[in-house]
Amino acid sequence: QSVLPQPPSASGTPGQRVSISCSGSSSNIGSNTVNWYQQLPGTAPKLLIFSTNQRPSGVPDRFSGSRSGTSASLAISGLQSEDEADYYCAAWDDGLKGWVFGGGTKLTVL
Amino acid sequence: QVQVQESGPGLVKPAQTLSLTCTVSGGSLSSSNFYCNWIRQPAGKGLEWIGRIYTSGSTNYNPSLKSRVTISVDTSKNQFSLKLSSVTAADTAVYYCAKETTIYYGSGSYYNDDAFDIWGQGTMVTVSS
Repeated sequence: QSVLPQPPSASGTPGQRVSISCSGSSSNIGSNTVNWYQQLPGTAPKLLIFSTNQRPSGVPDRFSGSRSGTSASLAISGLQSEDEADYYCAAWDDGLKGWVFGGGTKLTVL
Repeated sequence: QVQVQESGPGLVKPAQTLSLTCTVSGGSLSSSNFYCNWIRQPAGKGLEWIGRIYTSGSTNYNPSLKSRVTISVDTSKNQFSLKLSSVTAADTAVYYCAKETTIYYGSGSYYNDDAFDIWGQGTMVTVSS
């Protein structure tokens, strides 16, 4: 059972907009920023969004992040086939004094 | 550009200690200030944070693994290490080291936040007799 529940799967067709949710609590998302990681099949995770809504250099602006209360969301607009991957949210947990990850969401581009 | 690379035995016997090394290239740990994190991923499952160590040596561990985990740093070798004792089949996973970087952003780089921006390729460890 992940500390940050995510839907196990999501899907969309090319060009569509999809959103992936990440649910937390007051000790993690409610009081700290959220990072998102993209893991393409057979590869190491890659930083996609940091500080809830910031994109590292090189990440397309099709990817965006937001937070509301103790939940966060990753939105992908103009869906492309190469976006097919697993997506994980992560946040620092003040109670556990450590990083916690979401369970991951497998995105399928139909 | 800093890079990290995991190494260590791919097979460990049950009840023994798993030992992995994360070698840093492209920069000297002696003059660096950052956290090295260890993260693992069982086949077909999600990411689990194991713990981290600052280049100065301070540590944080996942409470669920704390009794079995030791993370250390050797600045002379530019390496971090992970030791996980009393392993069982449940510890079979791909183990990653990841550099936790303070990223500055915004006008005049006024804002900053931490994230795992550099990952190793991961090393598969199987616990089996």
